[in-house]
Amino acid sequence: GQQLNQSPQSMFIQEGEDVSMNCTSSSIFNTWLWYKQDPGEGPVLLIALYKAGELTSNGRLTAQFGITRKDSFLNISASIPSDVGIYFCAGRAQGGSEKLVFGKGTKLTVNP
Amino acid sequence: GAVVSQHPSWVICKSGTSVKIECRSLDFQATTMFWYRQFPKQSLMLMATSNEGSKATYEQGVEKDKFLINHASLTLSTLTVTSAHPEDSSFYICSASAANLDRTSPLHFGNGTRLTVT
Repeated sequence: GQQLNQSPQSMFIQEGEDVSMNCTSSSIFNTWLWYKQDPGEGPVLLIALYKAGELTSNGRLTAQFGITRKDSFLNISASIPSDVGIYFCAGRAQGGSEKLVFGKGTKLTVNP
Repeated sequence: GAVVSQHPSWVICKSGTSVKIECRSLDFQATTMFWYRQFPKQSLMLMATSNEGSKATYEQGVEKDKFLINHASLTLSTLTVTSAHPEDSSFYICSASAANLDRTSPLHFGNGTRLTVT
């Protein structure tokens, strides 16, 4: 089945630094989604991408749908303490159902 | 918009009992809802796809007789963990997408249910 490789697994940064994380897939995806999950809660949608090459921003967050349709990245600029959490990439494979495949997550820690 | 409500947020039950978890789309209709399971420090694992008015589709390795899913309306899906055992303790999360959008519509998640079986 489809697999998503998300990296890095964890990051420890200082407040104010920029962050970048990415996901790659073994097959072509037609949708890429980025979620953030806080402890004990469900994932919250951050950015949705639908077209190859698409670059979308949501405040300090920017995500891109890779040209090959097999990858996506998420950047967070000027990190703040509340950015702490686990970030998941998720995608739908081309020709597939509505099912989402999830990456294993990137745990972000921001030191004040 | 696109709010998904999950209830209860946590539940503790004794081994051998059954537990029902509800997932509701509050401001949209969802023909399809998904049930996930998440173990500590791990990603979300899809258990089953719940389709309104029809049988759920279970992922490989998920026992359909143990995890009963009912999607009786466009706004409600339920997951019942039957004869729960300690190994069923986990974080269960539902998600839904709006019925009037195509397959590219993003999934919105409930806040999850922490199940602890003693």
